[in-house]
Amino acid sequence: AQKVTQAQTEISVVEKEDVTLDCVYETRDTTYYLFWYKQPPSGELVFLIRRNSFDEQNEISGRYSWNFQKSTSSFNFTITASQVVDSAVYFCANYFGGGADGLTFGKGTHLIIQP
Amino acid sequence: DADVTQTPRNRITKTGKRIMLECSQTKGHDRMYWYRQDPGLGLRLIYYSFDVKDINKGEISDGYSVSRQAQAKFSLSLESAIPNQTALYFCATSDPGLAGGTGELFFGEGSRLTVL
Repeated sequence: AQKVTQAQTEISVVEKEDVTLDCVYETRDTTYYLFWYKQPPSGELVFLIRRNSFDEQNEISGRYSWNFQKSTSSFNFTITASQVVDSAVYFCANYFGGGADGLTFGKGTHLIIQP
Repeated sequence: DADVTQTPRNRITKTGKRIMLECSQTKGHDRMYWYRQDPGLGLRLIYYSFDVKDINKGEISDGYSVSRQAQAKFSLSLESAIPNQTALYFCATSDPGLAGGTGELFFGEGSRLTVL
C-alpha cells in the first residue's frame, strides 16, 4: 500500500487559534485521490473532503481549508479560529485505484481544542 | 434509523470462539468494506466487495473471512478469535466508488470487539 503519514500524533491548542494538520502521502501514480475524515469523541467517521491529483487548487469550506501541494506530496488541513467542537481525531487517507479498492488511512492526529 | 447498521455494537468473547459481525445498509450501494481501527494505528482495510459476486482481500485479511449475502448485507467472521483481534470494527459503503461522485465512504457506527 502507498503510505499516508500524519506525523502529528496529538495537537493541543486554545480555542480561536488556527491549527494545521499535516499529511504527507506516497505515490507512484499520476492519478490518485486524497481524503480527510473526522472522528469526534462520539466515534463516528465524518467525511470532510476528497481532492483529485489533477486538481491542485486549494479548497476552503467555512473555517476549514486544505492545501494540496504535489511538489511536497502534502495535503494539509487548516482550521481557522478553532472551536471546542473541532476536537476530534482527524484522518488523512488516499486511494490509487488500479483495480483495487478501499482507502489507505494515516494513523490520525488527535486534535484537542481547549476552551 | 442509520443507513449503515452494524450488529453487535459491543461484544466480549474468549480466545478460540467464532464471532460474526454483521453489516446491513439501506443506501443501495454496491461497494462495501470492513475496516479495523486500533488506537494509534488508524483504520486498516480487511476486506472489500464490489458487489455480491466480487469479494477481495484488503491489507489485513489473515484471520478473517467475509460473506456478502445480498447487496445490502456484508458479514465479517473471525473463525477463531485471538486477543490481538481486539479492536473497533467499521463497515462502510460507497457508490459509485472512491473515484466517482464525491468519493465518500458511509460508515456504520462501529462494533467494539474484545477478545479475552
